[in-house]
Amino acid sequence: NAGVMQNPRHLVRRRGQEARLRCSPMKGHSHVYWYRQLPEEGLKFMVYLQKENIIDESGMPKERFSAEFPKEGPSILRIQQVVRGDSAAYFCASRNELGGLRAFFGQGTRLTVV
Amino acid sequence: QQQVKQSPQSLIVQKGGISIINCAYENTAFDYFPWYQQFPGKGPALLIAIRPDVSEKKEGRFTISFNKSAKQFSLHIMDSQPGDSATYFCAALTQGGSEKLVFGKGTKLTVNP
Repeated sequence: NAGVMQNPRHLVRRRGQEARLRCSPMKGHSHVYWYRQLPEEGLKFMVYLQKENIIDESGMPKERFSAEFPKEGPSILRIQQVVRGDSAAYFCASRNELGGLRAFFGQGTRLTVV
Repeated sequence: QQQVKQSPQSLIVQKGGISIINCAYENTAFDYFPWYQQFPGKGPALLIAIRPDVSEKKEGRFTISFNKSAKQFSLHIMDSQPGDSATYFCAALTQGGSEKLVFGKGTKLTVNP
């Protein structure tokens, strides 16, 4: 039973390019969360999605960031026109309806903007 | 505004000693308090969690103490081992709604052999 899979593990983008981060939740999980971790900081909530729906995007920057969780396939976090301040580790977590409050985290994608 | 404040930022303990990490929260709507352990290059993993109707929870060498009136909770690691060296995050959430986690800034624990 594979855990939460994120890819790529490392991503380097030049300023102005687009970054696409993918997250495949654990089998049977239909709830996905994205968190961002800046160096020496805790994780900060970005967005919460269920299949085909954005439930809470209160932590998402208003511009350049978007997320989706289609009916088929992984959840995608998309960052357009990246800037150096977007460099961070981005973590995805998933949980199911019956799993209580336990969310399982992936290993993260480390984004570096040069 | 930091909703969950964690201290210390770093902690060095000798093997066999007790590691203590403290957290304080502001939002009285929080009703679930987990602790996560993170090794370098890995994602956070749930270690132990507590609800506010309980003052203490123990799992093996790990114990959470919870003080609802003071809005504080702490993690105690007994008989600390070098393998416990990691970054520890306290967190909080409110059940119902999006149940998003609010994290402290983390404590980097080093256990010397």
